[in-house]
Amino acid sequence: DAKTTQPPSMDCAEGRAANLPCNHSTISGNEYVYWYRQIHSQGPQYIIHGLKNNETNEMASLIITEDRKSSTLILPHATLRDTAVYYCIVRAGANNLFFGTGTRLTVIP
Amino acid sequence: DTEVTQTPKHLVMGMTNKKSLKCEQHMGHRAMYWYKQKAKKPPELMFVYSYEKLSINESVPSRFSPECPNSSLLNLHLHALQPEDSALYLCASSPGQGRGGNEKLFFGSGTQLSVL
Repeated sequence: DAKTTQPPSMDCAEGRAANLPCNHSTISGNEYVYWYRQIHSQGPQYIIHGLKNNETNEMASLIITEDRKSSTLILPHATLRDTAVYYCIVRAGANNLFFGTGTRLTVIP
Repeated sequence: DTEVTQTPKHLVMGMTNKKSLKCEQHMGHRAMYWYKQKAKKPPELMFVYSYEKLSINESVPSRFSPECPNSSLLNLHLHALQPEDSALYLCASSPGQGRGGNEKLFFGSGTQLSVL
């Protein structure tokens, strides 16, 4: 599976959009981009995933560049409960999900 | 029911003890996973079961012994652990329908294990 690079930490003001970047320059054509988050000492929570097209659900939007070498997770109106570690993962196989080091997002009141 | 349930939530054991962690899901998923997470580190894959057969073992020491008695249950048997094995142990499941990477994992809340 391709590796990902994320900034170690970011801050975001409450109510503003949080834009979390991820580089995955070695991604291959059949690899999906996944985002999970983990709030302290809880299990990772699925947020969103996509292959080529931009995706949106009730939690977030995923923007994937045309060359698929990077992506951005957007939380449109960050709240204090969005403070967590956010993991960007690229995945091809059905039986694996390898986590990188993630971005620690802190939402500031 | 979209939950993965792990028991116990906390476990303290000595290095000579034998204990087991349990994971259960009732979503009809056919793939189940064990991850280990040390403090301030990302989760690391340990084992994957697909259709009740072990499909991936990420070179985990034999003091960790997984078992999948049926498609809803996953156990992790622990024996002669070391203090450095103290960690959060996470279970996950996915449909396992052979859809390649287009299949999300559902995680339990984990068992916090302390080895004394």
